Amino acid sequence: QQQVKQSPQSLIVQKGGISIINCAYENTAFDYFPWYQQFPGKGPALLIAIRPDVSEKKEGRFTISFNKSAKQFSLHIMDSQPGDSATYFCAASKGAQKLVFGQGTRLTINP
Amino acid sequence: NAGVMQNPRHLVRRRGQEARLRCSPMKGHSHVYWYRQLPEEGLKFMVYLQKENIIDESGMPKERFSAEFPKEGPSILRIQQVVRGDSAAYFCASSPYDYGYTFGSGTRLTVV
Repeated sequence: QQQVKQSPQSLIVQKGGISIINCAYENTAFDYFPWYQQFPGKGPALLIAIRPDVSEKKEGRFTISFNKSAKQFSLHIMDSQPGDSATYFCAASKGAQKLVFGQGTRLTINP
Repeated sequence: NAGVMQNPRHLVRRRGQEARLRCSPMKGHSHVYWYRQLPEEGLKFMVYLQKENIIDESGMPKERFSAEFPKEGPSILRIQQVVRGDSAAYFCASSPYDYGYTFGSGTRLTVV
C-alpha cells in the first residue's frame, strides 16, 4: 500500500531527445507527488511536483503527467541535455507525512 | 536562507562506537524527516519529528537508533554500537507544515 514503483531503473537518451520516467502508486490517500533529482554525492533536489487535482504540470523542460484513475504519474524531460544526467526519484506523500520514494532511475544523456 | 544544514558531511566510526548526525532545518520549518540511502538504492524513511515530538518512527530500527528534535538546537539522529551495515548516506529533510520538503546534503557514515 505504501509502495511507489518506478521504471525504468536506467535510461540512456541522446542529447535533444525526450526522457520519460514512470511511477505507479497504490495508496489513493497520497495527495502530493514530487520528483527529485540527485547528483552523485549530493542530496535530492526538488525538481517539480504535482497535486492530484491537475493532470499535467510543466516547468521549463520538465513536465509531470498525472493519471489519477490509473494511479500513475510520469516525468518528461524535453530536449534532454548532458547536464540532466543524474538519478531521478519519484515520491508520494499524504500531507506532512513521510515521503515514499520510488527506487530511482539513473538517466544518462549521451552528447 | 542557508537551507537544510547537515553535519558532519562525512563520519567514520569503528564498529561498536556511537554516531551522532545533526540536522538544522530551514528557518521557519518545524517538521524534520530522516532518510537513509544505501549505495545505488533509493531513500528509505526512518523518522518524522516535530519540535520535541516524534510523529512517526515506523522506519527506524527498534534497537540502537534514536532521534530527537529538541525545542532549541538541531535534530539529532543517534546510532549506538554501529555495525558495518549502518554504513550509508543519511539525509535530513525539513518542511514548513506540509509539502515543500527540502533535503540537506547528507552525512555519509562509514563504519570500519
